[in-house]
Amino acid sequence: VLTQSPDTLSLSPGERATLSCRASQSVASRYLAWYQQKPGQAPRLLIYGASSRAAGIPDRFSGSGSGTDFTLTISTLEPEDFAVYYCHQYSNSPWTFGRGTKVEIK
Amino acid sequence: QVQLQQWGAGLLKPSETLSLTCAVYGGSFSGFYWSWIRQTPGKGLEWIGDINHRGSTNYNPSLKSRVTMSVDTSKNRFSLTLTSVSTADTAVYFCARRDYTLDYWGQGTLVTVSS
Repeated sequence: VLTQSPDTLSLSPGERATLSCRASQSVASRYLAWYQQKPGQAPRLLIYGASSRAAGIPDRFSGSGSGTDFTLTISTLEPEDFAVYYCHQYSNSPWTFGRGTKVEIK
Repeated sequence: QVQLQQWGAGLLKPSETLSLTCAVYGGSFSGFYWSWIRQTPGKGLEWIGDINHRGSTNYNPSLKSRVTMSVDTSKNRFSLTLTSVSTADTAVYFCARRDYTLDYWGQGTLVTVSS
């Protein structure tokens, strides 16, 4: 089980966002990814292997963590970053997703 | 550029069979696993299963008894079949490529199960 916190983060553009994802058992080899989803769209891969940015992802997005605790940080929120963010583990089958953190405009 | 395009029936009655197909354009079809994921407001994102170009599958145990995935390498397509659907299977279904993680996704198909 992946538990994301907080459920909702209310911030202003330009602020820093810190999102947490905690696993109920250790995620081996850093098989942890983060996705961004906007309404009516498919999830978009941001981070894989806990800390590697996917192709084309701006460097304001960064991932960190290991074992059971992982963090997605958006250093300076841009207007297009307000969305829902999901963590996903692909270490232990069945692969699972967190319930998401909504980053909304304050 | 890899693109996934999916299609299938969007309205089903309880006990019917859900069938979706996903076509892959660009990139290699072999060497990857191909996945189905669904999303509901209640349960969020749920991984359904994976299949590779050889037809080797890995299903979520929660759905395994009702799920079949198949692959057509001649057309770079893969398919999902879910039998005996109920209202609990109402969801947006996505296909995706798995290169360790899910890196390319289809556009999603809303499947509604209603009598």
